[in-house]
Amino acid sequence: QSVLTQPPSASATPGQRVTISCSGSSSNIGSHAVSWYQQLPGTAPKLLIYSNYQRPSGVPDRFSGSKSGTSASLAISGLQSEDEADYYCAAWDDSLNGWVFGGGTKLTVL
Amino acid sequence: EVQLVESGGGLVQPGGSLRLSCAASGFIFSSYNMNWVRQAPGKGLEWVSYISSSSTTIYYADSVKGRFTISRDNAKNSLYLQLSSLRVEDTAVYYCARLMRVGVMNWFDPWGQGTLVTVSS
Repeated sequence: QSVLTQPPSASATPGQRVTISCSGSSSNIGSHAVSWYQQLPGTAPKLLIYSNYQRPSGVPDRFSGSKSGTSASLAISGLQSEDEADYYCAAWDDSLNGWVFGGGTKLTVL
Repeated sequence: EVQLVESGGGLVQPGGSLRLSCAASGFIFSSYNMNWVRQAPGKGLEWVSYISSSSTTIYYADSVKGRFTISRDNAKNSLYLQLSSLRVEDTAVYYCARLMRVGVMNWFDPWGQGTLVTVSS
């Protein structure tokens, strides 16, 4: 079981908006910034969101992140077929003295 | 271009050892903290180990503590992970990832392409 909890799957049609949640605790999300990673099939993870809501250069503004208390969310608007991938949240955990990841959410574009 | 390239993966028997390498280029390797993250087949990401830029601070996940050893050679722009007492459940793709940090914020970027370790008899 992952320390950070994500829904295992999500789906939406092209053009729609989808939100992926990431739930943690006071020792991780409640105290530290969250980052999000996109993993396309057969490839390495790629940074999508850092410091809760910041987007690296090159990441479309269709992707946005937010955090409130011990939970974080990734929103993707104007969904496109190429967004079909696995998405992971991550944060430092004070209790474990290490980084923790969510179990990942498989996004399907219908 | 910032790049991380892992190598050293392969098939090893339970109880065996393996040494993974990660060659860094395109940035000042000695200025960055580094990590290993693994992904078992069909599973999610699991952080494995962290090493600070000067090797003074090291952390391990409980699942590998006492069996894996992280190290680095800043003169060779290389990161290493020595895997010992390997178990079937250590089978995974192992990624090296640079840790970016601004103040108290940190994140992994970039990631290497990964190297597959298979533990099987």
